[in-house]
Amino acid sequence: GENVEQHPSTLSVQEGDSAVIKCTYSDSASNYFPWYKQELGKGPQLIIDIRSNVGEKKDQRIAVTLNKTAKHFSLHITETQPEDSAVYFCAADPLYNFNKFYFGSGTKLNVKP
Amino acid sequence: EAQVTQNPRYLITVTGKKLTVTCSQNMNHEYMSWYRQDPGLGLRQIYYSMNVEVTDKGDVPEGYKVSRKEKRNFPLILESPSPNQTSLYFCASSRSGQGQWGYTFGSGTRLTVV
Repeated sequence: GENVEQHPSTLSVQEGDSAVIKCTYSDSASNYFPWYKQELGKGPQLIIDIRSNVGEKKDQRIAVTLNKTAKHFSLHITETQPEDSAVYFCAADPLYNFNKFYFGSGTKLNVKP
Repeated sequence: EAQVTQNPRYLITVTGKKLTVTCSQNMNHEYMSWYRQDPGLGLRQIYYSMNVEVTDKGDVPEGYKVSRKEKRNFPLILESPSPNQTSLYFCASSRSGQGQWGYTFGSGTRLTVV
């Protein structure tokens, strides 16, 4: 099955700086890659996703890039704010697996004011 | 408001005492799934359901049961809970199991089995 690795496990940045979280996947059949943000005491919330026919996608301060050849994808947050502090999960979904996601182990992002 | 509702939010129980965690969604989603979240392990799928009366095992189904009698509800049943089932549980729903759609997650149920 698919294996998703996520780095770093914790990330601390100063407010206004950029943050980058990286994930690698093993199954070349994976073609959908969502990112989730989990705030304390809440369930994960979808913040951005990318499909394998696209190399990059942006939504305001967040962007995701995908390198299919190298089997890795990254989340980029620019101009970080304290409210960006949360745990972020990447996931990969092999098309054959009926919407089942394989999640990374999570990155705890701390944005210091 | 479109949402997935889980109950209870917190539960402490004793080993062997049957319990049910309820999950309900109001988005008419076909696909529903249960995940458990453990430190360092991320989210692991327990069971999923493609539609009413259609359920299947995920990666960690041992010790759990589910049912899907109605489209909106997908309860998680622990017939004889054990301490290794102490975890944070999330129910999630999605528009369909075909073609890839992001999940909407519930707020979670923190279960402690003593």
